[in-house]
Amino acid sequence: KAGVTQTPRYLIKTRGQQVTLSCSPISGHRSVSWYQQTPGQGLQFLFEYFSETQRNKGNFPGRFSGRQFSNSRSEMNVSTLELGDSALYLCASSMDLEEQFFGPGTRLTVL
Amino acid sequence: DQQVKQNSPSLSVQEGRISILNCDYTNSMFDYFLWYKKYPAEGPTFLISISSIKDKNEDGRFTVFLNKSAKHLSLHIVPSQPGDSAVYFCAASDRGSRLTFGEGTQLTVNP
Repeated sequence: KAGVTQTPRYLIKTRGQQVTLSCSPISGHRSVSWYQQTPGQGLQFLFEYFSETQRNKGNFPGRFSGRQFSNSRSEMNVSTLELGDSALYLCASSMDLEEQFFGPGTRLTVL
Repeated sequence: DQQVKQNSPSLSVQEGRISILNCDYTNSMFDYFLWYKKYPAEGPTFLISISSIKDKNEDGRFTVFLNKSAKHLSLHIVPSQPGDSAVYFCAASDRGSRLTFGEGTQLTVNP
């Protein structure tokens, strides 16, 4: 069974631009969660989608948004990028509420 | 408000000895706990989990202990191997699918 895949793996953007990251969950998993990892803040929860609906949301500004498609694939979007958005963005999938399986992440660098 | 805390940023042990990683939490609503292992530039890899109805769960060299009254959990690795060197995160869930992570502990196993 294929694992969680994330594209792209690396991305460089400049301040003010927007970016879209993609996540394909493990087949059969309907829950997709997004996390941001930075050296100073550790792993911070962004949001979780289940059956195309946002079910949970973390404490991030509205510039961070996401969506989930009918095939459970998910995208997250960050608008008006700031230097502080540079981070590793991780996507995790699960059947429902149990163990979450993480993808390799997308390393975003904002210049 | 750091609801999950790993107070030791680093731990160094000799190969073959026991590694004990600790984690404390404050939210009494947490009822599911997980340990993840993470290498640089990769997503976290699920190791082992425990439900709040149990106080111990074993999987090979890995054992997780949960002390609900103290709101404390620990991960024991016996025997430790050099390949275990990584950052270990503990995480907790309140059945809402959102995982709250600790800051991580860098484990180094010396040959």
